[in-house]
Parts: sequence; C-alpha cells; structure tokens
Amino acid sequence: QKEVEQNSGPLSVPEGAIASLNCTYSDRGSQSFFWYRQYSGKSPELIMSIYSNGDKEDGRFTAQLNKASQYVSLLIRDSQPSDSATYLCAVILDNYGQNFVFGPGTRLSVLP
Amino acid sequence: DAEITQSPRHKITETGRQVTLACHQTWNHNNMFWYRQDLGHGLRLIHYSYGVQDTNKGEVSDGYSVSRSNTEDLPLTLESAASSQTSVYFCASSESGETEAFFGQGTRLTVV
Repeated sequence: QKEVEQNSGPLSVPEGAIASLNCTYSDRGSQSFFWYRQYSGKSPELIMSIYSNGDKEDGRFTAQLNKASQYVSLLIRDSQPSDSATYLCAVILDNYGQNFVFGPGTRLSVLP
Repeated sequence: DAEITQSPRHKITETGRQVTLACHQTWNHNNMFWYRQDLGHGLRLIHYSYGVQDTNKGEVSDGYSVSRSNTEDLPLTLESAASSQTSVYFCASSESGETEAFFGQGTRLTVV
C-alpha cells in the first residue's frame, strides 16, 4: 500500500460545478496535510493546509479532514476552467520526520 | 518578498558529467528538500536537510549528493550524470515543524 493515494483521474466537471478530490494516507498518527495545485510545466503551489478534523474554507476551496478514516479531501466550488490542473495531496507522515510525502496527483479538467 | 529560486531552469548535459543544480531561499527556512518529478512517479524525495551541516538521503538518493553550508542554499550534485536522471527537479523549503513547503520554479535536466 502506498503511503498517500489519490485517484489519478482525469476528473472532468462542467464549469460552475463542485469538484471533489480525495486523498487517503497510511499513517494514522499523521498530523499535517496539504493540497497543492500544479499547472502543466509549472511548480506546485500551495492551496491549503489543514491540521484538525473537520472543514477549513478559503474562498472557493474547502479542505476536509477525517483522521479516524485517514482521509482528506478538497472541494472546489463554482469550478472554473482556470482550475484545470493537477492537484497534489501531501502529508507529513508520523514516521517520516518533517518530510512531505506526495500522492500521485489527480488531474482535474473543468469544461466550459 | 521572500522566495525560493532554482538555477539553471533548463540544462542539457552529457552522460558521465558532473552537474550541480542550485537552490537558494530567502525565507530563512531551516528545512530544504530536493524532489524529482517524472511521469508515472509523481514527486519523489532525493535529499533533504533540516539545518546547516545536516543532510539526509531520501527514497531516490543514489547518484545524487547535497551539502548545506548555510541556511539559504542546498545545491544538488549529480556525480556522474546518467540518462535515467533526465527529469524535472524541484527544490522546496519549509519552516521547522510541520508547516507548509514552498517550491522553486523547477529545473528541467536532460542527460544525453
């Protein structure tokens, strides 16, 4: 089992819809979780971090964390074509010091 | 504004040559990381450092080395470049603890 898993996609949603991106991780003791967005040919850029169970909202983005289920998700409301990118889930696993373990990424395509 | 910069952005080198990729951050972050990103593999950790004079191997460290003589820089050296090291390389940094990481623009390395 890989430490951080994501559906590779592509996930296609129509403009204006909600896009839901999911991530599971292997280490129950992990405390820090991050979502990055990466456009083709560019570097990853941080969207959100989340550390506590529940929801965290920032504009059109909502991160949801459930440590008991070892699950973190990202919801993008009112999806725009400019949201089309690969979304990377990153976790600082409990047994990895301060290192980030990245999932393989989910490619999102928002159709006009 | 604080930033993290990589140089060069693109490099072509021959098999067997030594190559050094530069990474410089002005965040004053203690933690610095080098990743490579390849299709089908996502971001994989090469080496990391938690502070000056501290360096550690990541999951794909063979053929690579780093040194940390100051807080700002973590150069990555390919001792004898191989075609398998053709990739996009990203440097990242984070504050101590479990806070978010910020990425440089990336270096696209081609070994011919």
